[in-house]
Amino acid sequence: NAGVTQTPKFRILKIGQSMTLQCTQDMNHNYMYWYRQDPGMGLKLIYYSVGAGITDKGEVPNGYNVSRSTTEDFPLRLELAAPSQTSVYFCASSLVGTRGQDTQYFGPGTRLTVL
Amino acid sequence: DQQVKQNSPSLSVQEGRISILNCDYTNSMFDYFLWYKKYPAEGPTFLISISSIKDKNEDGRFTVFLNKSAKHLSLHIVPSQPGDSAVYFCAARGGSNYKLTFGKGTLLTVNP
Repeated sequence: NAGVTQTPKFRILKIGQSMTLQCTQDMNHNYMYWYRQDPGMGLKLIYYSVGAGITDKGEVPNGYNVSRSTTEDFPLRLELAAPSQTSVYFCASSLVGTRGQDTQYFGPGTRLTVL
Repeated sequence: DQQVKQNSPSLSVQEGRISILNCDYTNSMFDYFLWYKKYPAEGPTFLISISSIKDKNEDGRFTVFLNKSAKHLSLHIVPSQPGDSAVYFCAARGGSNYKLTFGKGTLLTVNP
């Protein structure tokens, strides 16, 4: 049981390049989330998904896209990287049922630098 | 507009003493609060939570207190250990909205 895994751990992009941050969870959680954490700041929600095929915007969605074709995977796509997207990205998942939300479990993060 | 505020960026305590981390919130719709702990180069890990129907929740050395009238919660760690040195995030959510709102975090350093 690996929990939430993210790849890559580190990446340097040039302005205008694109990339996909991968996130996989093996806990059969229905909800998945993408956050970014800038230095000295809390985590801000980018996008989230309540199940396969369903995604919605969070607090800071501009410049990102997501898809959720399976329960396990929730990739985050950056189409035209900008320096403002330099951050640490965390993926998380949780099991939301009739009793309400279980805790969110986080991956180890991807540190992205855009130069 | 910060809905969850952790006004102390850092806190330093001696091993064996009590650590008290504070968190204030402004959104009266929040009804569930969590504390996460984060080590460098790792993702946050869940520590303890409290529902708004309670004013205290305890788990071993960790106790969270909630004062709804003051919109304030605190995390007490007793006794503090060097391994507790980490960034602590306060988070909150409200009603059927499962999205969490996080504070900026407090860096706790426990000195041997």
